[in-house]
Amino acid sequence: GDSVTQMEGPVTLSEEAFLTINCTYTATGYPSLFWYVQYPGEGLQLLLKATKADDKGSNKGFEATYRKETTSFHLEKGSVQVSDSAVYFCALTSSNSGYALNFGKGTSLLVTP
Amino acid sequence: KAGVTQTPRYLIKTRGQQVTLSCSPISGHRSVSWYQQTPGQGLQFLFEYFSETQRNKGNFPGRFSGRQFSNSRSEMNVSTLELGDSALYLCASSLDLEYEQYFGPGTRLTVT
Repeated sequence: GDSVTQMEGPVTLSEEAFLTINCTYTATGYPSLFWYVQYPGEGLQLLLKATKADDKGSNKGFEATYRKETTSFHLEKGSVQVSDSAVYFCALTSSNSGYALNFGKGTSLLVTP
Repeated sequence: KAGVTQTPRYLIKTRGQQVTLSCSPISGHRSVSWYQQTPGQGLQFLFEYFSETQRNKGNFPGRFSGRQFSNSRSEMNVSTLELGDSALYLCASSLDLEYEQYFGPGTRLTVT
């Protein structure tokens, strides 16, 4: 079945550092890919998405490119802020699973001043 | 436009009891999905409703059930609660399949 694997955390960075969170997936067909962010005590917020190969999703300085050849959707940000401290989830949907979100285990990010 | 709302936000129940959680989707959204989040299992899909019909179901026991009303509001019910049911239950709404899902703040259920 479909699955998502993302790098284990926690990731600790200094403010203004470059961020990469790796995400790879296994799916048959043509999944859509998502990054969600969860701040402490809150639900999930959709950060960005990509629905086909080579699409780049972007939002609030975060970017991720749908790479079918490497089955990856790595999240990047050029300069993180303390306010970016949160847990980040990579996820996919596909017709195989009736478009239910299939999540990775999440990566905790802590940005220090 | 108001976001997804869930009530109650926090709930404490005793083993063996049952519980009902409520979710109001974003206006115009007809698909409502439920997810369970635990530290051990992560985020797992429970079920999805559209136009009052369950279209998809995850791998959870029959103690977990749900329904959707004509105004798209949804409820989920867990009967005969177990300690392992302690979790954050998240509701998400979308226009339909293949559209992005937007989440509510969740209901934190603690079973003692």
